[in-house]
Amino acid sequence: GNSVTQMEGPVTLSEEAFLTINCTYTATGYPSLFWYVQYPGEGLQLLLKATKADDKGSNKGFEATYRKETTSFHLEKGSVQVSDSAVYFCALDSNDYKLSFGAGTTVTVRA
Amino acid sequence: DTAVSQTPKYLVTQMGNDKSIKCEQNLGHDTMYWYKQDSKKFLKIMFSYNNKELIINETVPNRFSPKSPDKAHLNLHINSLELGDSAVYFCASSPASSSYEQYFGPGTRLTVT
Repeated sequence: GNSVTQMEGPVTLSEEAFLTINCTYTATGYPSLFWYVQYPGEGLQLLLKATKADDKGSNKGFEATYRKETTSFHLEKGSVQVSDSAVYFCALDSNDYKLSFGAGTTVTVRA
Repeated sequence: DTAVSQTPKYLVTQMGNDKSIKCEQNLGHDTMYWYKQDSKKFLKIMFSYNNKELIINETVPNRFSPKSPDKAHLNLHINSLELGDSAVYFCASSPASSSYEQYFGPGTRLTVT
């Protein structure tokens, strides 16, 4: 079956530090890959996505590249802000009417 | 305009009670979902509906019964609530499966005492 493994948290950083959250997946076929973000007390919202190998998703300074050869979709941001404090979820969709989520990584950015 | 809305936002009830959570989307999407998020933030699919038809029932106890009266609504009814049902329940919708973003509601925090 499909599965997503992402870096365990929590992660605590200072403002302007570099953030990377590792994500690897197991899936049949050619899944679409997503990063969702959950701010405190809110629902999930899409941060970025990639639908085929070598695609790069980007949004709000975050980037992730779909690497089929390493089955990875690592999330990166060059300079984090306090407002980036949230829980980040890696997810995949294999066209089977559901998202399979990683366990989530809690990120705290301190001023 | 709220894209995906859920009511109530908070629900506190006692074991053995029956409760419902409502979900509505105004995006014109064909597919709707229920997810459960546990206390460790882990998210798991419960149900998927496409054009009002049940597509996925992910080994959820039959005390949970989803109902989709039309494409814009997917309600979740829970019978005989148990302590382990305490969680945050998220409704979501998408145009179709795969490649498309799922839009999530704000969640319903259910606490069973």
